[in-house]
Amino acid sequence: GAVVSQHPSWVICKSGTSVKIECRSLDFQATTMFWYRQFPKQSLMLMATSNEGSKATYEQGVEKDKFLINHASLTLSTLTVTSAHPEDSSFYICSAGETGMRVEQYFGPGTRLTVT
Amino acid sequence: DQQVKQNSPSLSVQEGRISILNCDYTNSMFDYFLWYKKYPAEGPTFLISISSIKDKNEDGRFTVFLNKSAKHLSLHIVPSQPGDSAVYFCAATPGQGAQKLVFGQGTRLTINP
Repeated sequence: GAVVSQHPSWVICKSGTSVKIECRSLDFQATTMFWYRQFPKQSLMLMATSNEGSKATYEQGVEKDKFLINHASLTLSTLTVTSAHPEDSSFYICSAGETGMRVEQYFGPGTRLTVT
Repeated sequence: DQQVKQNSPSLSVQEGRISILNCDYTNSMFDYFLWYKKYPAEGPTFLISISSIKDKNEDGRFTVFLNKSAKHLSLHIVPSQPGDSAVYFCAATPGQGAQKLVFGQGTRLTINP
């Protein structure tokens, strides 16, 4: 149980275009999902907390108009990188925890974004 | 402000021996601590967690120890196996339920045959 999927696993796009990344909890419901990015050889940096049915909460320094998050259902959150630039190239990972008291979060396999 | 720190970027251990990964934290509000294992180009995999009301939690080859007074936790892997080679992250969260995790920088563990 507790499987989280991400799609696509990798994507290449041109500067100025937008890219949507999906995060799904496959066998549990997740009121809250989290989006991280990881630069090479660095730790995971939390970008935002995605709340089902309400607006996402962004971490300091993360542009909410650039990284659009939608959490339309208890099993799906999407991250859209708008007007992508080469510096947005990174590894994006989502996580989800089961609704309730448990603290363990389960991570998706990640999405490698390359902006050319 | 690094609230969770893993001061050893890398660790090399012989197969069959014990691997000890360390983690320090500064925020007294943290109530739960978790360890994750990560391979390159993959998402982290949850290993084991511990609540601040405990000082030890064991799951198979993995044991996590928590010293609240020192704000220190460690992950023991025994015996170490080649498949354990990965980057290990410790993480902390202030409470129960779906809370955001604060991650350390990670420690790259290499198990030598």
